[in-house]
Amino acid sequence: DGGITQSPKYLFRKEGQNVTLSCEQNLNHDAMYWYRQDPGQGLRLIYYSQIVNDFQKGDIAEGYSVSREKKESFPLTVTSAQKNPTAFYLCASSIGETGGQDTQYFGPGTRLTVL
Amino acid sequence: AQTVTQSQPEMSVQEAETVTLSCTYDTSESDYYLFWYKQPPSRQMILVIRQEAYKQQNATENRFSVNFQKAAKSFSLKISDSQLGDAAMYFCAYRRSRDNYGQNFVFGPGTRLSVLP
Repeated sequence: DGGITQSPKYLFRKEGQNVTLSCEQNLNHDAMYWYRQDPGQGLRLIYYSQIVNDFQKGDIAEGYSVSREKKESFPLTVTSAQKNPTAFYLCASSIGETGGQDTQYFGPGTRLTVL
Repeated sequence: AQTVTQSQPEMSVQEAETVTLSCTYDTSESDYYLFWYKQPPSRQMILVIRQEAYKQQNATENRFSVNFQKAAKSFSLKISDSQLGDAAMYFCAYRRSRDNYGQNFVFGPGTRLSVLP
């Protein structure tokens, strides 16, 4: 089955620790995205990657880092510099059509809680 | 900057009835795409329906249809014959067509829909 997987489903972090959230897709999509969702709010873009070895900051990139070494994988690291990291994190991917009707498809999400 | 507004934080509908969720957006672009996503309690975001702004015909997907009013910048979602499984958060989203690679989706704050048996 083609799809997007995220792990872990739940993650707990102590203050001062870095943690990495995994996102893998087998849809052969070029583009991948990370969003943050806070209670009662919509999604906010953290980082996106249009192609392997390239990524761009979104609206709320501070305190986060990413890598895109493989087409299938786009891990997100939440660093200790992120002051309020408790949130639900969603990964998405899309074909990556230039100027086309590029639709994003989402993974099941990771709930990160800072203890 | 584009903005998406969903003025109804919560809605409820009786099972088998019809409900309409509203969405308005602000843009100076003439060509763009609009989306409705559903987020059930599992929190998996699921694409419900998509509309191209250059198409006058309203998109439909089974029990889901939209009322796209381009001049009014309105994009409402109608759910017919509501089912218990329709209970979820619904997000309206906008993306201008000249953006590459699906970037710059703008999401509304969401409407929580409850379905009453």
